[in-house]
Amino acid sequence: DGGITQSPKYLFRKEGQNVTLSCEQNLNHDAMYWYRQDPGQGLRLIYYSQIVNDFQKGDIAEGYSVSREKKESFPLTVTSAQKNPTAFYLCASSLYWGYDEKLFFGSGTQLSVL
Amino acid sequence: AQKVTQAQTEISVVEKEDVTLDCVYETRDTTYYLFWYKQPPSGELVFLIRRNSFDEQNEISGRYSWNFQKSTSSFNFTITASQVVDSAVYFCALSEATNLNAGGTSYGKLTFGQGTILTVHP
Repeated sequence: DGGITQSPKYLFRKEGQNVTLSCEQNLNHDAMYWYRQDPGQGLRLIYYSQIVNDFQKGDIAEGYSVSREKKESFPLTVTSAQKNPTAFYLCASSLYWGYDEKLFFGSGTQLSVL
Repeated sequence: AQKVTQAQTEISVVEKEDVTLDCVYETRDTTYYLFWYKQPPSGELVFLIRRNSFDEQNEISGRYSWNFQKSTSSFNFTITASQVVDSAVYFCALSEATNLNAGGTSYGKLTFGQGTILTVHP
C-alpha cells in the first residue's frame, strides 16, 4: 500500500539535544511538507520541498532544519535552538507543488521534552 | 493575509443527529481553493473535499455535504445522521493561487483553521 510513514510515533528530547523525525513516502510525490500541530491550533508550516534537493522555509522554520536528498525522504531535525519543541509533527506530500493540490499525511510524531 | 476561522472549538452530538461545522475565511485573492480534512484519533489527516473559488455548487457525498457561499466567505460542512466513526477533529483550509515566497514564485500555501473537535456519542 502506498502512503507516508513517520517514525518514531513518540519521541523525547533532552535539554540541548537535537532530534530527527523521519518521513518516508512511496507515493512518488514531488512535494513534501512538515507541519507542526499544537493543541487548539491549526497546522503551521515548518518547511516544504517542491522537488528533490530543494527546500524552503515555511512560517515557523526557526529552530528546525531539513534535507531532501532523496525523493521519498524528507527528515526534520529539531535543534536545541527550538525552545518550545513539544508538539505533534505531521509530514505530508502532494503529487506536485501547486495551490490546488490535496495533501496526503503521515500519522505523526509526538515530540515531548524531558 | 489569508485567514481561516472555525468558531466551534468542540461539538458534541448523539448518534443520528445532523451536525454542521462552520468555516469562514478571509482572502484578497479571487482565485483560491478551499479544503476540508478529517483527523481521526490515529493522527493522520485525511482529505475530504476540495473546492475552487469559481465553483459555488454545493456538493453531496453520501452523508457529507458542503455549502460554499462566496457572499459570506463561508464553506460549511454538514454530516447527516452522524455516526460514532465520525468522531474526529475536522480542519478547514484555504490555499491562494498568488501567494508568493521570497523568490517571487507562486505557491500553494495552505492556511488551516484551528479545527473543530466532533464527538458523536452512541
